[in-house]
Amino acid sequence: RKEVEQDPGPFNVPEGATVAFNCTYSNSASQSFFWYRQDCRKEPKLLMSVYSSGNEDGRFTAQLNRASQYISLLIRDSKLSDSATYLCVANTGGFKTIFGAGTRLFVKA
Amino acid sequence: DAGVIQSPRHEVTEMGQEVTLRCKPISGHNSLFWYRQTMMRGLELLIYFNNNVPIDDSGMPEDRFSAKMPNASFSTLKIQPSEPRDSAVYFCASRERYEQFFGPGTRLTVL
Repeated sequence: RKEVEQDPGPFNVPEGATVAFNCTYSNSASQSFFWYRQDCRKEPKLLMSVYSSGNEDGRFTAQLNRASQYISLLIRDSKLSDSATYLCVANTGGFKTIFGAGTRLFVKA
Repeated sequence: DAGVIQSPRHEVTEMGQEVTLRCKPISGHNSLFWYRQTMMRGLELLIYFNNNVPIDDSGMPEDRFSAKMPNASFSTLKIQPSEPRDSAVYFCASRERYEQFFGPGTRLTVL
C-alpha cells in the first residue's frame, strides 16, 4: 500500500463547478500536510498547507481528518486555469516527505 | 532569489553513457531532495540531504545511481551507465522548513 494515495482521475468539470479531491495517508505519525499543484511539463508548486482546523484561500479550502487519516481539497467556482495535477503531500516530521501520485483536473468551458 | 536551478534542462543520451545532473538549491535552505517523475510511477523520492549529508538514499533505484552534495550550494545526481528505463524528469528541490521549492527539472531521454 502506498503511504499517500489519491484518486488519479481525471476529473472533468465545467467552469464554475465545485470539485473535491480526497487523499489518504497510512502513516499516523504524519505531522504536516500540503497540497501542491503541477502544471503540464512544469515543476510542482505549493498550493496550500493543510491545518487541523481547516483553512481557506480564496476559492480553495483544505481540510484534515486525523482520525480517518485523510485530507481534502475543495475548489469552488472552477476556472479554466485550475486545470492541473494536484499532489497531496504528507510530512512525517524531520525530512520524510511523501507525495501522492496526483489527481488530474480538467476544467472545460 | 533565482529559485532552485537545475542543469541541463534537457539531456538526450545513448544507453551506457554517463549522465550527470546538477542542482543549485536556494541559498539558506538546508535540505535538498532529488526526485524522479514518470507517468507510470509518479513522483519518487530518490535521496535527500540535510546540511550536505545524505540522510536517506533508500529511494535510489540501483548502484548505477549516485548523488553528492559537496557544499551547501551544489549537488549532483549521476547515472552510470544509463539505461532507457532511466528516462524521466528529474527534479531537485530544496527546503528550509516545511515547504519544498522545486527546480524546473531535467528531462532525460536515454536511447
